[in-house]
Amino acid sequence: DSGVTQTPKHLITATGQRVTLRCSPRSGDLSVYWYQQSLDQGLQFLIQYYNGEERAKGNILERFSAQQFPDLHSELNLSSLELGDSALYFCASSVEAQGISSPLHFGNGTRLTVT
Amino acid sequence: AQKITQTQPGMFVQEKEAVTLDCTYDTSDPSYGLFWYKQPSSGEMIFLIYQGSYDQQNATEGRYSLNFQKARKSANLVISASQLGDSAMYFCAMRDSNTGNQFYFGTGTSLTVIP
Repeated sequence: DSGVTQTPKHLITATGQRVTLRCSPRSGDLSVYWYQQSLDQGLQFLIQYYNGEERAKGNILERFSAQQFPDLHSELNLSSLELGDSALYFCASSVEAQGISSPLHFGNGTRLTVT
Repeated sequence: AQKITQTQPGMFVQEKEAVTLDCTYDTSDPSYGLFWYKQPSSGEMIFLIYQGSYDQQNATEGRYSLNFQKARKSANLVISASQLGDSAMYFCAMRDSNTGNQFYFGTGTSLTVIP
């Protein structure tokens, strides 16, 4: 158990809809990362938050947004969903205090299916 | 340019044998960290092992060891005494301080252990 909690585990929704994915990082980890993993794209970095502030942005679509709350949990909002958004969405956390030696600890992912 | 390259899309190994999964990386930063993750078919991403660029010795964690060749910029994962439960995707990753400690993942290697 990595200590990172993601909900829900599975989500099935229709095109055009909006969903929210939730993540609670490991205790003590200030940084939260969001990744998308689809069959043909590998692991794609979306966005990183550190202690409530956006730290880095990757290939995140404008239809997607995220935030990290004061209690350090994070939410990823996906709107105007398209079939191509079907993927496994991971949240990962890192303590960051150890710099480059801090590993990412991943949640179990949310499997999103857009029909 | 690719920061992390995993050239073996798929590998097979006989149970109880050792197997090496290749990973090469690209960075100009003298300070970086290298990580390996395992993703079984159930989907979760499991942190396996870490190697720092200044570490004098190759990292080991149980049956996992890292064959770190700095001059060749390679960080190959060696799994000894393979077990059926080792069948999974394996991802190599790197973070360096040049890019704000961001993580870069390879495309993964699918390992199948044959009984």
